[in-house]
Amino acid sequence: DAKTTQPNSMESNEEEPVHLPCNHSTISGTDYIHWYRQLPSQGPEYVIHGLTSNVNNRMASLAIAEDRKSSTLILHRATLRDAAVYYCILRDVNSGYALNFGKGTSLLVTP
Amino acid sequence: NAGVTQTPKFRVLKTGQSMTLLCAQDMNHEYMYWYRQDPGMGLRLIHYSVGEGTTAKGEVPDGYNVSRLKKQNFLLGLESAAPSQTSVYFCASSYLPQGSSYEQYFGPGTRLTVT
Repeated sequence: DAKTTQPNSMESNEEEPVHLPCNHSTISGTDYIHWYRQLPSQGPEYVIHGLTSNVNNRMASLAIAEDRKSSTLILHRATLRDAAVYYCILRDVNSGYALNFGKGTSLLVTP
Repeated sequence: NAGVTQTPKFRVLKTGQSMTLLCAQDMNHEYMYWYRQDPGMGLRLIHYSVGEGTTAKGEVPDGYNVSRLKKQNFLLGLESAAPSQTSVYFCASSYLPQGSSYEQYFGPGTRLTVT
């Protein structure tokens, strides 16, 4: 399975944009890039996903490099509630269900 | 619409005791999953089910059994608990994955301690 590499932790100030990087140099053409986040003491929740084009939704934006070997999750204005562990996950569309959670990036947001 | 619920929220077991964790979803999802999360780690898949009456092994299935007798429920059993099974257990569910459209919905977790 293709792997992802994320920084262990990042810090941001409240109300500033946050760019969370993810490297996936062995990504295959059938891998979708999914992002989930896990707030303290809660189960993970879906954030966003994409294949080749940049994606926007109400929670975040996903910027995907042209060669697809890296991507960046963008939180446009971090709030204290965005403090969480963010997981970048590759999902092969042919294998269907599998989500392989790594250790993710722990985001600290300071007032 | 409660989503995914898990029972119990907390449990302490002695080594060798047995217990069952219950997961219920009200979204009519076909797929259900059980994960465990150890401190400072990501989630690891224990077992999953692609429909009523079917189950399959995930990444770390040893020491656990599962059953899916009803579509909305997925049970995780520990027949003889060991301290290594101290963890937080998460249940999740999803529709049948179709192309890009895919999202797993997670429950709040069960914190299990085995002494």
